[in-house]
Amino acid sequence: GQQLNQSPQSMFIQEGEDVSMNCTSSSIFNTWLWYKQDPGEGPVLLIALYKAGELTSNGRLTAQFGITRKDSFLNISASIPSDVGIYFCAGQAGTASKLTFGTGTRLQVTL
Amino acid sequence: SAVISQKPSRDICQRGTSLTIQCQVDSQVTMMFWYRQQPGQSLTLIATANQGSEATYESGFVIDKFPISRPNLTFSTLTVSNMSPEDSSIYLCSVFSGSSVNEQFFGPGTRLTVL
Repeated sequence: GQQLNQSPQSMFIQEGEDVSMNCTSSSIFNTWLWYKQDPGEGPVLLIALYKAGELTSNGRLTAQFGITRKDSFLNISASIPSDVGIYFCAGQAGTASKLTFGTGTRLQVTL
Repeated sequence: SAVISQKPSRDICQRGTSLTIQCQVDSQVTMMFWYRQQPGQSLTLIATANQGSEATYESGFVIDKFPISRPNLTFSTLTVSNMSPEDSSIYLCSVFSGSSVNEQFFGPGTRLTVL
């Protein structure tokens, strides 16, 4: 099935740095979701975006719904060790329809 | 958000056997989803389970290999049949939040290793 392309695939950053990652698709989505997955756990929903151009924050996290509706971006400011994990984007074409997941971005934070 | 539990949390199985994974939600939901996450990979939807009807399978997944039950609005099972090492994955169930039909929430997953 289709998967969304996320970049970077992985990143190593120092504590306190800001992080940016993005997700691109060949198809239009009406909803974009960002999840974080810790080892041995299920994905946890971080942010949901519903409108093209929308910018939404959740604490140190900010996500944007791209104007073309084919991409989305996630920024993490002032990273801390507990930000370590895999971040997945997911797109949804219609209301209550299935999700298409991105390939994931693995984030490592060094002290 | 819904609280989702899965059993077992992990298992090691012999090839050729079957394993049934349970998913319990703390509220009634119409749709439940089953995903597979192969080692180091993203999530792939296996099927959507609606109460009172046959599950809808995605391309590449068949009912004989992954039979699903949905006996009520808070519970579902996924069976991985005639297992091979290629079935070693994390299996996750998911539901929509009661307050939003767009936000999916996930259970903790079942980590399956097939020897």
